Amino acid sequence: EAQVTQNPRYLITVTGKKLTVTCSQNMNHEYMSWYRQDPGLGLRQIYYSMNVEVTDKGDVPEGYKVSRKEKRNFPLILESPSPNQTSLYFCASRTLATGGEQFFGPGTRLTVL
Amino acid sequence: RKEVEQDPGPFNVPEGATVAFNCTYSNSASQSFFWYRQDCRKEPKLLMSVYSSGNEDGRFTAQLNRASQYISLLIRDSKLSDSATYLCVVTPSGGYNKLIFGAGTRLAVHP
Repeated sequence: EAQVTQNPRYLITVTGKKLTVTCSQNMNHEYMSWYRQDPGLGLRQIYYSMNVEVTDKGDVPEGYKVSRKEKRNFPLILESPSPNQTSLYFCASRTLATGGEQFFGPGTRLTVL
Repeated sequence: RKEVEQDPGPFNVPEGATVAFNCTYSNSASQSFFWYRQDCRKEPKLLMSVYSSGNEDGRFTAQLNRASQYISLLIRDSKLSDSATYLCVVTPSGGYNKLIFGAGTRLAVHP
């Protein structure tokens, strides 16, 4: 089944404790992206990657890191999480050939205390 | 001003009703337009693309008005299963590197 997976789905952590949210897709998509969704603000792009070893900042990259060592994986790293990073996070992927159809993972609900 | 603006709703309509949502965008050079559907904090899924000439998919019709910088979504014969949040999505000029999402319009269809 073609899908984007994320882990963990739910995470409660404390300020300053480094964490990684994994994202993996099995559709051989070149493009992958991370978003956060907050009430009233819509989805905002954190980072995106056009291909292996190619990453770039989105609209709200502060406090986040990413890497793209393999085509299928695009982990999101929070080196020192803070309460304002409490949010719902989505990973997404698509081929470079298509326009707007991104395939989203199921989401990771993160709470930073 | 937000780049993409939507009325958050909720729109509460009975089954069988016709309902329409609008979405305005600020960048006149925006290239492509889409409607996504999101169920109760689950992942968004593409509902339909919006073409300049307008397009229809079953009970759903999407329209683009470039002069006034808005897109619309019309749902006819609403079903209970249409209850969701509808996200307006725009790609800015310069390609598909990013999608700009509106905050969404919530639709609740009741019996």
